Amino acid sequence: KAGVTQTPRYLIKTRGQQVTLSCSPISGHRSVSWYQQTPGQGLQFLFEYFSETQRNKGNFPGRFSGRQFSNSRSEMNVSTLELGDSALYLCASSGQGRLTEAFFGQGTRLTVV
Amino acid sequence: QKEVEQNSGPLSVPEGAIASLNCTYSDRGSQSFFWYRQYSGKSPELIMSIYSNGDKEDGRFTAQLNKASQYVSLLIRDSQPSDSATYLCAVNGYSSASKIIFGSGTRLSIRP
Repeated sequence: KAGVTQTPRYLIKTRGQQVTLSCSPISGHRSVSWYQQTPGQGLQFLFEYFSETQRNKGNFPGRFSGRQFSNSRSEMNVSTLELGDSALYLCASSGQGRLTEAFFGQGTRLTVV
Repeated sequence: QKEVEQNSGPLSVPEGAIASLNCTYSDRGSQSFFWYRQYSGKSPELIMSIYSNGDKEDGRFTAQLNKASQYVSLLIRDSQPSDSATYLCAVNGYSSASKIIFGSGTRLSIRP
């Protein structure tokens, strides 16, 4: 069974640009969560999608957005990039149910210069 | 108060000893509790899940949960150098079951 796939693995962007990251969850999983990880802030929750609907959102500015498609694949977009957006962006996939576990992809390392 | 708190470490433990990692959480209605291991430059890997009070053992790992004290711990027996990593405690709250909140992690170093 394939795991969570994130693309691309590495990105270098310039301040002011926008970026789109992709996540394909484990087959059969309908929930996709996104996290930002930086050395100073640790793992910060961005948002979670289930069946194409955003169910939860963290405390990030509106420049961070996401969506989920009918096949459960998800994308997140960051517009007007800032230097502080440099981070490892992680996607986690989980099944249904309140007690379900989450499994992470390998992440996308974004560097903003 | 942070939602999930861990001591950042580093925690240094001799090879073969027991490593004890601790975590407290603020949402009393939390129902699911997880431990992830993260090696430097890699993504977090789920190593234990626990949902009921008490102990849960899996190989050299034992997770302990005390909901009354809002406390979760992870014991690693017979610690190996390959256990050196950052351990993240994560909690799935009752009020928002689809949102897993992570602690900042404890760096564990196993010395030969």
